[in-house]
Order: sequence, then structure tokens, then C-alpha cells
Amino acid sequence: AQSVTQLGSHVSVSEGALVLLRCNYSSSVPPYLFWYVQYPNQGLQLLLKYTTGATLVKGINGFEAEFKKSETSFHLTKPSAHMSDAAEYFCAVGGGSSYKLIFGSGTRLLVRP
Amino acid sequence: NAGVMQNPRHLVRRRGQEARLRCSPMKGHSHVYWYRQLPEEGLKFMVYLQKENIIDESGMPKERFSAEFPKEGPSILRIQQVVRGDSAAYFCASSPLDGTGMNTEAFFGQGTRLTVV
Repeated sequence: AQSVTQLGSHVSVSEGALVLLRCNYSSSVPPYLFWYVQYPNQGLQLLLKYTTGATLVKGINGFEAEFKKSETSFHLTKPSAHMSDAAEYFCAVGGGSSYKLIFGSGTRLLVRP
Repeated sequence: NAGVMQNPRHLVRRRGQEARLRCSPMKGHSHVYWYRQLPEEGLKFMVYLQKENIIDESGMPKERFSAEFPKEGPSILRIQQVVRGDSAAYFCASSPLDGTGMNTEAFFGQGTRLTVV
């Protein structure tokens, strides 16, 4: 069985500040991990993914995430927030023979000017 | 290469009516997935289809909901006798042929927002 927990339904940062969105997962098989971004009334866009190999994954728009097996975490970071980063972010887990993605409940990022 | 196309983008139905949501996968993709997003929640898996086959419908409500992916044409998610609780965003995703693609190459449409009044 797999599950995802995103800590903090809302995160607020100042423009230029570090963005840190937390994701912890549970998986009985080696996980595939994903971060998606959703802008208002839009679909989901893949930011980055981890399947195997390097544990530090770089994605689009300056985001990156690190897979830490010992902590069962896959936190999303960006060194400097931009106003355009304001959106909802979803962490998801898949893997093994499962084709399903299990999503967290999302974190809404607010960027203050 | 067009992305996953869903229509309509917004759909309003009265209680008791039928809702039909359509999804055209990306070109070359033969696997389609439907997810539902309730307000303030993440996406929940509903059903996984290949052409003319339902592979996994474990996330579908037992009644009133059905899905198909015919040999020709888009995938259809059908909700009969809609109720207020069906109001949600319904997302379709597609992946390429190899079947394990869902884990690495899921492309989502922009969703259909269903409102039941």
C-alpha cells in the first residue's frame, strides 16, 4: 500500500525567499515520486520526478527535490520564490507494478511581494 | 503534438441529469486514467482503461458511474442521475503504450469542472 502526506495545506513566503514544501510517503515497494503543480482552473503539470538513480532531482522552473529513503521524504525546494510560483503543489507516489498515482492533499503556495 | 484534451471544461447539470465527460489522449497514447478532485483535496484514482478494455475500476463508485474507451473516439466518463456530491473536477491522464508508463509519463488534461445544481 502507498500513501502520501503533505505537511501544511498552505505555505506563505516572500518573493525571493526559499520555498520548502514537505512531502512524506509510505510505500511497500521502491517508490516513484512526483511533484505536480496546478494553477487555478488548470490541469496538473509535472514539475519533476524520481524513479531511480540520483536522489537529487531537478525539475522545471528552478525547482528541485531530494529523495531521502531513510526519512521517507521527497521535499520540494526552490532557492528564490517568484510571484509566478503561486499555485497548488501536489506530491504523488507510484511504483512497483502499480500504475496508479496516489496523491497528497496538496499545498497551496502563496508568494508575498 | 496536442496534449490531453478534455471537454467540456465546465459542465453544469441539474440533479438527476446525466453528465458525459470526454477525454482524448495524447497522440500515440493508448492508456487513459480518470481522477476526481474534490474541493480542497488531492486527486483520487477512479479508473484505468485501454482501448476497448477496462483494466481497473476500483476507484469508481459502484453505482451511476461508468467509463469507456472505444476503439475509435475519445474516452467517456458517464455519470447518471447526478447528485450534488458529484460536483468536482474530473481529470483525465494518458500514458504511452508500454503499460508501465503511468509511473513515469502521466500527462494530465485541464479537467472538466462539473457543477451539480
